[in-house]
Amino acid sequence: EDQVTQSPEALRLQEGESSSLNCSYTVSGLRGLFWYRQDPGKGPEFLFTLYSAGEEKEKERLKATLTKKESFLHITAPKPEDSATYLCAVGNYKLTFGKGTLLTVNP
Amino acid sequence: NAGVTQTPKFRILKIGQSMTLQCAQDMNHNYMYWYRQDPGMGLKLIYYSVGAGITDKGEVPNGYNVSRSTTEDFPLRLELAAPSQTSVYFCASIREGAEGRRVNTEAFFGQGTRLTVV
Repeated sequence: EDQVTQSPEALRLQEGESSSLNCSYTVSGLRGLFWYRQDPGKGPEFLFTLYSAGEEKEKERLKATLTKKESFLHITAPKPEDSATYLCAVGNYKLTFGKGTLLTVNP
Repeated sequence: NAGVTQTPKFRILKIGQSMTLQCAQDMNHNYMYWYRQDPGMGLKLIYYSVGAGITDKGEVPNGYNVSRSTTEDFPLRLELAAPSQTSVYFCASIREGAEGRRVNTEAFFGQGTRLTVV
């Protein structure tokens, strides 16, 4: 059974203060690792897919990296509009989600 | 494209009542899913479908039923609602794409249905 653990549960940053979110996973064979962003009252929105250790993907201030046991979502110089819950998931056609990290960026 | 559309957005049910949560997608996706999201608990898979006429149980199927008569629609039925079914329900669909031997499984989610059972 796939398992996903995200840390920290909540993170509060000042605008411009870079940091990283962690996603640790246990799977029988990694078919894909996914990052989603979820705003309050909305459905999750796809950010990245990573398939193999060493892979990296970037989008604006976000950069996702992958090792054999974990993934990091690096946030560089965050802005208040980056405030959201960030979800990590593993799987292929059936996704197993972590509980998420609630990120708050203060101006 | 409207994407994934869920109705209703909010609903209050009394214990023992039944209802159907509607989900429709206009992207011709084969795979569709129902998740529930409880505070601090992440998304849990209820049921999924790999195509019209084919459905299967997820992690938390008890108290729910689904059907998939068309590619576009994937309704979720709650029979005999219980307070434990108070949650936010999300429908999702998957787009497949070939990238060499990889499969792009970006999931598109609806806006959710907030259900309260009292």
